[in-house]
Amino acid sequence: DTGVSQDPRHKITKRGQNVTFRCDPISEHNRLYWYRQTLGQGPEFLTYFQNEAQLEKSRLLSDRFSAERPKGSFSTLEIQRTEQGDSAMYLCASSVTSGRGYEQFFGPGTRLTVL
Amino acid sequence: AQSVTQPDIHITVSEGASLELRCNYSYGATPYLFWYVQSPGQGLQLLLKYFSGDTLVQGIKGFEAEFKRSQSSFNLRKPSVHWSDAAEYFCAALRGAGSYQLTFGKGTKLSVIP
Repeated sequence: DTGVSQDPRHKITKRGQNVTFRCDPISEHNRLYWYRQTLGQGPEFLTYFQNEAQLEKSRLLSDRFSAERPKGSFSTLEIQRTEQGDSAMYLCASSVTSGRGYEQFFGPGTRLTVL
Repeated sequence: AQSVTQPDIHITVSEGASLELRCNYSYGATPYLFWYVQSPGQGLQLLLKYFSGDTLVQGIKGFEAEFKRSQSSFNLRKPSVHWSDAAEYFCAALRGAGSYQLTFGKGTKLSVIP
């Protein structure tokens, strides 16, 4: 069990640019989640996948955001035309689907700064 | 609306002192409840969870939490704090079976005085 990994750990971009983050869940975890955490706040749910299917999306996930999990393993989160308000920590988590499926294990996060 | 409230933004305790971090929830039915800890530059680590049954749950690192339905609370406790416990603590809830959207409180930052 190597834990959830995220890449990059930090990203600085200029307003209007596109960015993409990657998340590798714990192996054999079927569910994968994305959360956003702004300064002084707790994480807020964005979306989640079961295998390759995206099952829930938050209203926070505007049209500029898209998440994929093409083969049911790693996932990517893309933000198009970034805005300063997108500056946040983007957290990925994963869980199993049975038994302890309500326990979500988090990665270290990707900190995005939009200039 | 469903929500999790952590009334204390920042708490400072002396090393060796006891600790209690407060968490209140507002849900129609009893949610599944969690406490996570986040150290600088680190992800969230699960300390403990409550689904049902015994209202006093034990977690890792010597932490425990007590669920009180009458007070809609799930407070985190530790009898003797260590300097390494300095971090930010988040209470979180799931609506119940079949729900996977964790709702977090705003967190409580814990500082430990040597």
